Amino acid sequence: DIQMTQSPSSLSASIGDRVTITCQASQDINNYLSWYQQKPGKAPKLLIYDASTLETGVPLRFSGSGFGTDFTFTINSLQPEDIATYYCQKYDDVPITFGQGTRLEIK
Amino acid sequence: QAQLVESGGGVVHPGRSLRLSCAASGFTLSDYAMHWVRLAPGKGLDWVAGISIPGGHTYYADSVRGRFTISRDNSKNTVYLQMNSLRLEDTALYYCAKDSVPRDNYLYHMDVWGQGTTVTVSS
Repeated sequence: DIQMTQSPSSLSASIGDRVTITCQASQDINNYLSWYQQKPGKAPKLLIYDASTLETGVPLRFSGSGFGTDFTFTINSLQPEDIATYYCQKYDDVPITFGQGTRLEIK
Repeated sequence: QAQLVESGGGVVHPGRSLRLSCAASGFTLSDYAMHWVRLAPGKGLDWVAGISIPGGHTYYADSVRGRFTISRDNSKNTVYLQMNSLRLEDTALYYCAKDSVPRDNYLYHMDVWGQGTTVTVSS
């Protein structure tokens, strides 16, 4: 099975900062990668799919890039409401796999 | 507006069974694959199972294959997760999630999630 390695596991940043999270697949997954945001006590929310397509209604400060095995998720100008845990997810084949998650905190 | 509501969670002893239900509304269930995803205490999201449309091909994580069964009843707008031989490590908040891509037999990303139902396996 393909493994997803997400880093960092936690991140502390200031309001207005640019934040970057990476996700690496153990094998080529084309662009079959999505990113989710999960706030405490809430269900996950789809932010990006197909590696770089923004889900409808998601703020433009969120973006994704990558292809093959290496992917990046970016928040431009971090806002207080962005405090959450972020996950990547691959869906090139089953089993579907999530990354380990990145817990984002405000510095 | 698409909505999912899970039910059926509870506290059970190891080795026992539990059936979770996911009631769907606001969209045509038969048009979408569906998933179960869990979040264990202190852990990350863990995909459990998926079911395609319309033939109902089922897929499982290695950790639950042979113990869990996902099914759907489109006439009742409901998806189920039958969990047998439960283990301590199955303790988690279980989410039902709708696949984003309509009328496709593959599994993709998930655009609608329920609020989850808690399963606690304890001796």
